[in-house]
Amino acid sequence: GENVEQHPSTLSVQEGDSAVIKCTYSDSASNYFPWYKQELGKRPQLIIDIRSNVGEKKDQRIAVTLNKTAKHFSLHITETQPEDSAVYFCAAVRISGTYKYIFGTGTRLKVLA
Amino acid sequence: SAVISQKPSRDICQRGTSLTIQCQVDSQVTMMFWYRQQPGQSLTLIATANQGSEATYESGFVIDKFPISRPNLTFSTLTVSNMSPEDSSIYLCSVEGQGREQYFGPGTRLTVT
Repeated sequence: GENVEQHPSTLSVQEGDSAVIKCTYSDSASNYFPWYKQELGKRPQLIIDIRSNVGEKKDQRIAVTLNKTAKHFSLHITETQPEDSAVYFCAAVRISGTYKYIFGTGTRLKVLA
Repeated sequence: SAVISQKPSRDICQRGTSLTIQCQVDSQVTMMFWYRQQPGQSLTLIATANQGSEATYESGFVIDKFPISRPNLTFSTLTVSNMSPEDSSIYLCSVEGQGREQYFGPGTRLTVT
């Protein structure tokens, strides 16, 4: 079945440095790629998403890039802050009449002050 | 985005009993989803609930164990039946946005003793 691989599983960076999380998907028909941030004890929150007709999208300090040929996409966080510490999940979705999100396994990001 | 609430926020239940989790959203939505998130793990889709039709269950989840109701466009329930300690988990509902993005409820933390 479809799956999404996410790396690394844990990531520690110094405050102010950049963080990159990578996901690879198996379903070549996937056309929507959201990223979620989940703080401890909280719900997953959508932070950015990208659709397959776009190669890159940026929102302030976060950006996502998509390589459809290689079937991978990445989350980039610049100028990291302690409040960026959380678990991040990627997902790949084939949007059609009925659809399901295939989530990655998650990356625990720690930003060290 | 929609405001989503879940009840209860947490519960401790005895094995063999059942718990019904409610999900309420402040606007009408077509698709609602139920997920399970075990400690330290990713999100696993249990079923998709479309108003006016039977829920669609994912592999490994059956209606007898996880019956779902979707009586209207703002409400859904998930029942965890005949519980065992393996059912201890966080259960989250989500709703679909206009662009097929998903927004999550705050979750229900279930502990089965």
